[in-house]
Amino acid sequence: DTEVTQTPKHLVMGMTNKKSLKCEQHMGHRAMYWYKQKAKKPPELMFVYSYEKLSINESVPSRFSPECPNSSLLNLHLHALQPEDSALYLCASSQVDMITYNEQFFGPGTRLTVL
Amino acid sequence: EDQVTQSPEALRLQEGESSSLNCSYTVSGLRGLFWYRQDPGKGPEFLFTLYSAGEEKEKERLKATLTKKESFLHITAPKPEDSATYLCAVHPPNDYKLSFGAGTTVTVRA
Repeated sequence: DTEVTQTPKHLVMGMTNKKSLKCEQHMGHRAMYWYKQKAKKPPELMFVYSYEKLSINESVPSRFSPECPNSSLLNLHLHALQPEDSALYLCASSQVDMITYNEQFFGPGTRLTVL
Repeated sequence: EDQVTQSPEALRLQEGESSSLNCSYTVSGLRGLFWYRQDPGKGPEFLFTLYSAGEEKEKERLKATLTKKESFLHITAPKPEDSATYLCAVHPPNDYKLSFGAGTTVTVRA
């Protein structure tokens, strides 16, 4: 099973709202990632969790707050977002940490629209 | 700075018309090169991993090859369902993150 699931599929929120994106994988992967993807652009790395600990933060604004409750789950908490944060948010997981080798499996994404 | 360049940006094919996509990179000591397929509004779907020059991998109508400076994704006798954006990504030796190319958008007409 090489499936990564993400909920919700679509999310519309105002700039004062608080919402969360969820990601789950059952492949036994110990590295999980959040990416942001704008239209016609490749994915941009936001965060990396390795063994449930935050190992990489790509200078992401604090209005994005990641959380890894256990090795299968990854959340992204959103607060006071800006319209330019509208994008496809992708979760991915891999068998080992990014430092060694990297074969990532992506979820279907959450399409976020900030009004 | 390490760079990954994909060409062409867009490719329009007739059904059955075979073609190739190119991914060139400037990374030395590559740890891995990855091909993904992405449909509009969806997450990238993993296709292949290539590690060393000369390596080839196949899946249905797709075949990926790797040389020291580039990779090719060959699409043989494509069908309309092969229409998608194909992304190439490399894992440099001294970096923790993938470098993605901008992608090639393939459209196959029936």
